[in-house]
Amino acid sequence: DTAVSQTPKYLVTQMGNDKSIKCEQNLGHDTMYWYKQDSKKFLKIMFSYNNKELIINETVPNRFSPKSPDKAHLNLHINSLELGDSAVYFCASSHVRRTGVNTEAFFGQGTRLTVV
Amino acid sequence: TQLLEQSPQFLSIQEGENLTVYCNSSSVFSSLQWYRQEPGEGPVLLVTVVTGGEVKKLKRLTFQFGDARKDSSLHITAAQPGDTGLYLCAGVGSRGSNYKLTFGKGTLLTVNP
Repeated sequence: DTAVSQTPKYLVTQMGNDKSIKCEQNLGHDTMYWYKQDSKKFLKIMFSYNNKELIINETVPNRFSPKSPDKAHLNLHINSLELGDSAVYFCASSHVRRTGVNTEAFFGQGTRLTVV
Repeated sequence: TQLLEQSPQFLSIQEGENLTVYCNSSSVFSSLQWYRQEPGEGPVLLVTVVTGGEVKKLKRLTFQFGDARKDSSLHITAAQPGDTGLYLCAGVGSRGSNYKLTFGKGTLLTVNP
């Protein structure tokens, strides 16, 4: 069984379109993330949700809107896509223990978004 | 903002050589993780170090957490082509940062046969 699954794996779309990427985890984790990995392989956090509550919101254009309908899902909607949005987007999940030690983050396979 | 500087960014070596990857920060982390990412896949955890000065070994890989919990290193002995990949260090922030996982920029390792 796939632990963290995100769809689609590839997404090619035109500038100005609106698109969504879905993510689901079956690990029972309480925290989910969206990361963006650019062409230079830099993995940068975008958002983090803990028990459906937004806890981390980095400097991301408000065209990006995450939605967490429940603890197992964290979707990413992007409005008015721009060329610079082209990247690989990774969903991840983890469980933060009471000690504060963050267990490992499990990543999905990534969604390669290409805006043309 | 907690930043992690990872070096070198690129490393190409011959099979059998040793190498060290460094991860440095001016911030203290509650723990530090090392991940390996292969093309077309998401990062996969290799190890977590928690205590200052901690050393962990995973076969030919040795991970060390600095005494002040601000830096870490990954040493690979007798590298093999199968070690090729992107190595990422990630610092876990404090409770005040909601335990944010901050990644370094990665080291792209190529081990040539």
